[in-house]
Amino acid sequence: EDQVTQSPEALRLQEGESSSLNCSYTVSGLRGLFWYRQDPGKGPEFLFTLYSAGEEKEKERLKATLTKKESFLHITAPKPEDSATYLCAVYRGDDYKLSFGAGTTVTVRA
Amino acid sequence: EAGVVQSPRYKIIEKKQPVAFWCNPISGHNTLYWYRQNLGQGPELLIRYENEEAVDDSQLPKDRFSAERLKGVDSTLKIQPAELGDSAVYLCASSPGVVGNTIYFGEGSWLTVV
Repeated sequence: EDQVTQSPEALRLQEGESSSLNCSYTVSGLRGLFWYRQDPGKGPEFLFTLYSAGEEKEKERLKATLTKKESFLHITAPKPEDSATYLCAVYRGDDYKLSFGAGTTVTVRA
Repeated sequence: EAGVVQSPRYKIIEKKQPVAFWCNPISGHNTLYWYRQNLGQGPELLIRYENEEAVDDSQLPKDRFSAERLKGVDSTLKIQPAELGDSAVYLCASSPGVVGNTIYFGEGSWLTVV
């Protein structure tokens, strides 16, 4: 059975304090790993897709990396507007199912 | 480009009452998904459509939940009768196809059953 585990559950940062979120997964036939951002009262907003180990993608202060067993979302010099829940999901190609982790809630204080 | 549109955004109903949610996917997206998200958890797939065909409904509680996607565009998810445990956010999502395509989510329909 696919498992997606995100850690930590919650992260409180001071503005400018860089940190990383972890997404570890066990899935057969991984076809992609997705990162989404979800603000309170909103649906998940797409950030990145990673397809193979060693791949990296960046967007503003966010950088996502992928290994064979986990992915990291690095937040560099975060600002209060980066406060959100970050969801990781794995896409399995044989049944086209997107399985989500429970998310990491990031709070950035000014 | 318009995103995935859902309505209603919020609904409060008494248990045993019916409720329906509507979704309009991004134009041109053949694949439509309904997910349910409980508080503090990630979304879980309920049903996936390819055009008008439900190709994966294995996680849909068929005793009380039903869905349809007439003409392969808009979709409706219905719960009848609702139970207290159905309180959650119901998310609709769409993608251009299935393989390797990004899945885009709507804002969600927030259901509270009292």
